[in-house]
Amino acid sequence: DTEVTQTPKHLVMGMTNKKSLKCEQHMGHRAMYWYKQKAKKPPELMFVYSYEKLSINESVPSRFSPECPNSSLLNLHLHALQPEDSALYLCASSQEYGPGNTIYFGEGSWLTVV
Amino acid sequence: EDKVVQSPLSLVVHEGDTVTLNCSYEVTNFRSLLWYKQEKKAPTFLFMLTSSGIEKKSGRLSSILDKKELFSILNITATQTGDSAVYLCAVLYPSGNTPLVFGKGTRLSVIA
Repeated sequence: DTEVTQTPKHLVMGMTNKKSLKCEQHMGHRAMYWYKQKAKKPPELMFVYSYEKLSINESVPSRFSPECPNSSLLNLHLHALQPEDSALYLCASSQEYGPGNTIYFGEGSWLTVV
Repeated sequence: EDKVVQSPLSLVVHEGDTVTLNCSYEVTNFRSLLWYKQEKKAPTFLFMLTSSGIEKKSGRLSSILDKKELFSILNITATQTGDSAVYLCAVLYPSGNTPLVFGKGTRLSVIA
């Protein structure tokens, strides 16, 4: 079972709203990722957590705030977003962070900022 | 700079055709190459290739890696309309800390 579950599937939010995207996996994976994907482009890495610690922040604006409450959960808190932040947000996980570890994606959360 | 190039960028075939999708890479430090299928949602993992010349197969899909010529191909035989998707190739940890470097994808459309 290689399941990464994301909620909500769709989210529409105003520029002044605060919302969160949630991601869960029960595969015992110790690395979790957030990617952002715009239409007709490949996914772009935002954050990597390894053993619940932030390992990589790819110069993402502070209006995106990740959180890893435990080894199974990964959140992305959203505040004061811009319309250009509208995209598919993908959570992913792998057994460990590092070479040789296949990365599995969740179904994504479609975010629209109005 | 690490680079992954997929070709063709888009392809339209008829059901029953066989297609070959290409992925070439120029990376600092090759470890593994992954293929994903993406329909309207998230990329679904297909294959991870680490060793040259060993074919990986799953049903009508197969893939092989050539580490000497720095490319991989993904073959789909007897295509079906359900194979219509974007196929993404990615290199795993080519350099530094970046987990995946993706190509731009090949958009495959299979028509009845």
